[in-house]
Amino acid sequence: DAGVTQSPTHLIKTRGQQVTLRCSPKSGHDTVSWYQQALGQGPQFIFQYYEEEERQRGNFPDRFSGHQFPNYSSELNVNALLLGDSALYLCASSRSGVDTQYFGPGTRLTVL
Amino acid sequence: DQQVKQNSPSLSVQEGRISILNCDYTNSMFDYFLWYKKYPAEGPTFLISISSIKDKNEDGRFTVFLNKSAKHLSLHIVPSQPGDSAVYFCAAKGGGVSGAGSYQLTFGKGTKLSVIP
Repeated sequence: DAGVTQSPTHLIKTRGQQVTLRCSPKSGHDTVSWYQQALGQGPQFIFQYYEEEERQRGNFPDRFSGHQFPNYSSELNVNALLLGDSALYLCASSRSGVDTQYFGPGTRLTVL
Repeated sequence: DQQVKQNSPSLSVQEGRISILNCDYTNSMFDYFLWYKKYPAEGPTFLISISSIKDKNEDGRFTVFLNKSAKHLSLHIVPSQPGDSAVYFCAAKGGGVSGAGSYQLTFGKGTKLSVIP
């Protein structure tokens, strides 16, 4: 039973560029959440997707957008990258109606 | 302002002894609490959770206690093993009005546990 998978593992971009991160949820899960984890901090909620729609959003600017596909996989897009966007981006999946979220290994984004 | 606080950045415990990790929260609308363990270069791994209607949940060596009146929860690991050395995150899930905050997890900053052989 595959867990949550994310790609790529690492990514280096320059300021102003755009990036797309990908996530496949755990088998049987239909809900995907994205989190940003800066060094020395706990993960911060970006948004959650359910039934291909953004169900809830955290305190992140519109430069952060996402998408969920019919197979429940998801993408996180970040436009106009800033140095401060350098972080570990975590995807978590869950089953609708169940509170526990399971995390993937993350994508380490470095913005130069 | 931090709604979930883990006031101890680090904790060292001898192998075989009890590890107690603490977490405080301020939002009384939180209705579900979770503990995650994180190794370097990996994503958080779910350990154990507790609903706000309970005060204790146990799973093997791990027990979580919830004191709603004090807005405090703790994770007990007995006995501690060297493989338990990791960063532990406390997280809370909300149940706000109109669903506000009801899906996201709010995390503390983590406590680094070192179990000394």
